[in-house]
Amino acid sequence: EDQVTQSPEALRLQEGESSSLNCSYTVSGLRGLFWYRQDPGKGPEFLFTLYSAGEEKEKERLKATLTKKESFLHITAPKPEDSATYLCAVHQGGKLIFGQGTELSVKP
Amino acid sequence: DTGVSQNPRHKITKRGQNVTFRCDPISEHNRLYWYRQTLGQGPEFLTYFQNEAQLEKSRLLSDRFSAERPKGSFSTLEIQRTEQGDSAMYLCASSLDLGGQEAFFGQGTRLTVV
Repeated sequence: EDQVTQSPEALRLQEGESSSLNCSYTVSGLRGLFWYRQDPGKGPEFLFTLYSAGEEKEKERLKATLTKKESFLHITAPKPEDSATYLCAVHQGGKLIFGQGTELSVKP
Repeated sequence: DTGVSQNPRHKITKRGQNVTFRCDPISEHNRLYWYRQTLGQGPEFLTYFQNEAQLEKSRLLSDRFSAERPKGSFSTLEIQRTEQGDSAMYLCASSLDLGGQEAFFGQGTRLTVV
């Protein structure tokens, strides 16, 4: 069965303290790995799509990377406004299968 | 077009009542998805449409849930005889095609069953 597992469940950082979030997946024939950001009480906001091992994408302080078994979301010098839940998902059978998310808190 | 629109944003209902939610996707998107999300969890797939055809429905979805997408435009999700366990955020998303296109989500409908 296709699965997506994110770690850690929660991460607390000081402003400027860089770190990484992990997304491990098991899926037959990856057709895309997606990262979303979700603020409390709101719908997920699209960040990145990755399709093949070795691919990287960047947006401001965020960089997503992909291997054959996992993806990382690297956050460089985070700011308090980066606080949110970060979700990863894989494309499976026409739909997205999500992990449980990592709740990131960045303190000033 | 400002994105995926969901109504209402919040709904409080008594157990046993029926509720209906509406989703208006991004106009040129032919795929529409419904997800459910509870606190601390990722979105859980419910069903999806390609144009007006409902292509898949989650095995976890009770018979009390039904979704429609007449004419391939907006969609409705109805829950009959609501139960307290139905309390969740119901999310709608749309995409051109997930064979290479991202899914964009609405702001969700928060359902509380009392």
